Amino acid sequence: EAQVTQNPRYLITVTGKKLTVTCSQNMNHEYMSWYRQDPGLGLRQIYYSMNVEVTDKGDVPEGYKVSRKEKRNFPLILESPSPNQTSLYFCASSRWDRGTTDTQYFGPGTRLTVL
Amino acid sequence: TQLLEQSPQFLSIQEGENLTVYCNSSSVFSSLQWYRQEPGEGPVLLVTVVTGGEVKKLKRLTFQFGDARKDSSLHITAAQPGDTGLYLCADLGGFKTIFGAGTRLFVKA
Repeated sequence: EAQVTQNPRYLITVTGKKLTVTCSQNMNHEYMSWYRQDPGLGLRQIYYSMNVEVTDKGDVPEGYKVSRKEKRNFPLILESPSPNQTSLYFCASSRWDRGTTDTQYFGPGTRLTVL
Repeated sequence: TQLLEQSPQFLSIQEGENLTVYCNSSSVFSSLQWYRQEPGEGPVLLVTVVTGGEVKKLKRLTFQFGDARKDSSLHITAAQPGDTGLYLCADLGGFKTIFGAGTRLFVKA
């Protein structure tokens, strides 16, 4: 089954404790992206990756890091989480065809609470 | 920075009613997409529109793209409880995607 998986689905942590949210897709997609969703603000793009070892900042990259060492995986790293990073996080992937993104497939989301 | 404004923010209707939700952009869309997101899940793509004036139909859903490519509407005919969810519009501007805040629709049986 074609899918995007994220782990963990729920996480409660404390300020300053480094954490990683994993994202994996089995569709051989070139493009992957991370979003955060907050009430009244919709989804905002954090980072995206056009292919292995190619990443770039979205609209809200501060406080986050990513890496793309393998095509299927795109982990989101919070080196020193703060309460304002409490949010619902989504990973997405899509084909990258002729310079435009195709349908984005979203993971189920990770609800993060930073105390 | 491009802003996508969706209206209304919240809509509660009875089963069988018709409704329209709107998406307006501060700049011309590159490629407009509509998504539906159900509670506890990620957004799912409904449609992509690219050409100004384009109209697409998906069963009871009709998507309209403005001639100037700065606005769009989603019309649902005879809404059903299964239509309940958050409807999001988005602009695919090459590498980046900009989302609106969404319209939360609740259809009562």
